[in-house]
Amino acid sequence: EVQLVESGGGLVQPGGSLRLSCAASGFTFISHAMHWVRQAPGKGLEYVSGISITGGTTYYANSVKGRFTISRDNSKNTLYLQMGSLRTEDTAVYFCARDLNGSGNLWGQGTLVTVSS
Amino acid sequence: QSALTQPRSVSGSPGQSVTISCTGTSSDVGSYNYVSWFQQYPGKGPSLIIYDVTKRASGVPGRFSGSKSGNTASLTISGLQAEDEADYYCCSYAGPYIPYVFGTGTKVTVL
Repeated sequence: EVQLVESGGGLVQPGGSLRLSCAASGFTFISHAMHWVRQAPGKGLEYVSGISITGGTTYYANSVKGRFTISRDNSKNTLYLQMGSLRTEDTAVYFCARDLNGSGNLWGQGTLVTVSS
Repeated sequence: QSALTQPRSVSGSPGQSVTISCTGTSSDVGSYNYVSWFQQYPGKGPSLIIYDVTKRASGVPGRFSGSKSGNTASLTISGLQAEDEADYYCCSYAGPYIPYVFGTGTKVTVL
């Protein structure tokens, strides 16, 4: 089955760190750029970060630049998001997504990150 | 980078047509024919319905159509059905630095 499965969310204190994972299956992971998109409770979708096929190029929203690091392990078909210096405004469901433009788009079910003391 | 502007909500009766606008700038919607539309049900992840401004994703009914004029893209749902009640988001390619920007989202209500 073609799918993306996120994990690693949870409750973390302000200033803390968390690493999210996104396991891909059913397709050739190395052939696709990958992205993280988040959705705060009751709010809209926000682009967070993206990574090229080889991992050589990365992209970050201004709101997370310098605090979050995206990476991928093509041997494990897994996408990561290392989040640091977390703020309450980072509280959201984090989705991983394949190909944000084009017919190959695919989304995971999301993982909830709550930043609170 | 600012979010694309969508109306907060639109509504229509079954069988009617509704159109959702998505207004960006000459740096995103106006510069690229890479506008996508996503449908999202409560508690679920988004699902692609339109890509490259006008192309329907696989399995998407023909009542969904997309268009673009200048800095504004639009999604039209013709022959509205109860199952179309959901949130809809546009997304545009925005260049090589921060490649994507989403719209603010529109809730479609079927009366």
